[in-house]
Amino acid sequence: EVQLVESGGGLVQPGGSLRLSCAASGFIFSGYWMHWVRQAPGRGLVWVSRLNNDGSSTSYADSVKGRFTISRENAENTLYLQMNSLRAEDTAVYYCVRVGLGGFDAFDIWGQGTVVTVSS
Amino acid sequence: QSALTQPRSVSGSPGQSVTISCTGTSSDVGGHNYVSWYQQHPGKAPKLMIYDVTKRPSGVPDRFSGSKSGNTASLTISGLQAEDEADYYCCSYAGSYTWVFGGGTELTVL
Repeated sequence: EVQLVESGGGLVQPGGSLRLSCAASGFIFSGYWMHWVRQAPGRGLVWVSRLNNDGSSTSYADSVKGRFTISRENAENTLYLQMNSLRAEDTAVYYCVRVGLGGFDAFDIWGQGTVVTVSS
Repeated sequence: QSALTQPRSVSGSPGQSVTISCTGTSSDVGGHNYVSWYQQHPGKAPKLMIYDVTKRPSGVPDRFSGSKSGNTASLTISGLQAEDEADYYCCSYAGSYTWVFGGGTELTVL
C-alpha cells in the first residue's frame, strides 16, 4: 500500500524549533518530488515547500523562507522539514505530499498530517 | 504568493450540477496549465480530484470535470451526490517552483 506517515509534531514555544519526519512506503521514494502543505485550524490549505527527487533543488513559500528547511534521505525513504524560529502563525496540521501521475501539480498521495502548535 | 480566489460556499440538490470557480492571475492560473483540485472531508486529508486542469486520476468519478479560461479555473460536479459534500480547494503552479492554493469552497448538498 502506498503510504506517507508524518511524525514529529507537538507543542513548542515561540522561537523554538521542531523537525517533522515523513516515512514513505509502498513506492520508490527516490523517484518522486515531495512537498509539505499545512492547514491552520479552521483554515485552508497552504503550500509550504517542495523538494525534487534527489534533494538537489528546493523551494519555499515566502512565509517560511529562511526559517524552514526541507530535506530527504532516500536510503531511508524519509522526508524532513526542519522548522526554526517558530511563530504562532505556524500553528497548523502539516501534511507530507507526493507529486505523482507524471504531473507537475498532481499531489496524489497525502499523509494523515502531524499537528504543530506554537504557543507559550 | 496571494491565495487564489474561490467562493466561500456553494450548494446544490442531489442530481444537480455545481461549478466552483478559482480565480488567479496571469502569473499562476492564467500562465500555466497546472491547476489541480482537492476534496477534503472533515478531519481527513485532502484527495486529488483533478490535475493538469482537466485530467482525472483513476478512481475519481467522471462526474468531476475541470476547465480553465484565462485566469479562472473551474471544477464542475454533475449529478451531485450526498457524499460530494466537502470542502474543495484549487491549486496552481505559480512559477519559480512555487505553488498556491485557493481559500477553499464549502459544498453543501441540500
